Amino acid sequence: DARVTQTPRHKVTEMGQEVTMRCQPILGHNTVFWYRQTMMQGLELLAYFRNRAPLDDSGMPKDRFSAEMPDATLATLKIQPSEPRDSAVYFCASDYAADLTDTQYFGPGTRLTVL
Amino acid sequence: QKEVEQDPGPLSVPEGAIVSLNCTYSNSAFQYFMWYRQYSRKGPELLMYTYSSGNKEDGRFTAQVDKSSKYISLFIRDSQPSDSATYLCAMGGFKTIFGAGTRLFVKA
Repeated sequence: DARVTQTPRHKVTEMGQEVTMRCQPILGHNTVFWYRQTMMQGLELLAYFRNRAPLDDSGMPKDRFSAEMPDATLATLKIQPSEPRDSAVYFCASDYAADLTDTQYFGPGTRLTVL
Repeated sequence: QKEVEQDPGPLSVPEGAIVSLNCTYSNSAFQYFMWYRQYSRKGPELLMYTYSSGNKEDGRFTAQVDKSSKYISLFIRDSQPSDSATYLCAMGGFKTIFGAGTRLFVKA
């Protein structure tokens, strides 16, 4: 049963600390998305990669957020320095771009709390 | 104005009721229309997708798309407590945009 995995599942940190979230997309998928979900804003797209190249990161605060895909099996989202307003659930999703159904498969999320 | 509008609810119905969930969108370039279901503390999972106007049925679920009105719906027949979740509409094609999600509670 192929699925997207994310680590850690929960993270509590103090303001100013660096946070790194990791995602392993489904094997064979060539597109990886990072989303942030809050009660107020819903699901927001932060960035996405295709074939490991960043295609769109316009949803990401550039001064503190960075996203990378060091290889096809790992995507990372880093926040440095973290702020209380970054508290949210961060989801990674993957899909195969040639799949016309445009179906994204989501991971379980990383619940981040910044104190 | 958001590209996709969805009433966040919450919507509370008795078991067995027919549920209607709706979204409107503004960009006629969207080609695919999807419904995701998200249980508490889980990631969204695809429930149904369609790419044309009309109805698509899958068990107790029916997705309806009206491209001329830029309006999509999800109907749940014979709703069950296990249907209690947040339902997100999503529009795809050149990009994918999610609605805010509607929280549904089905009471036993």
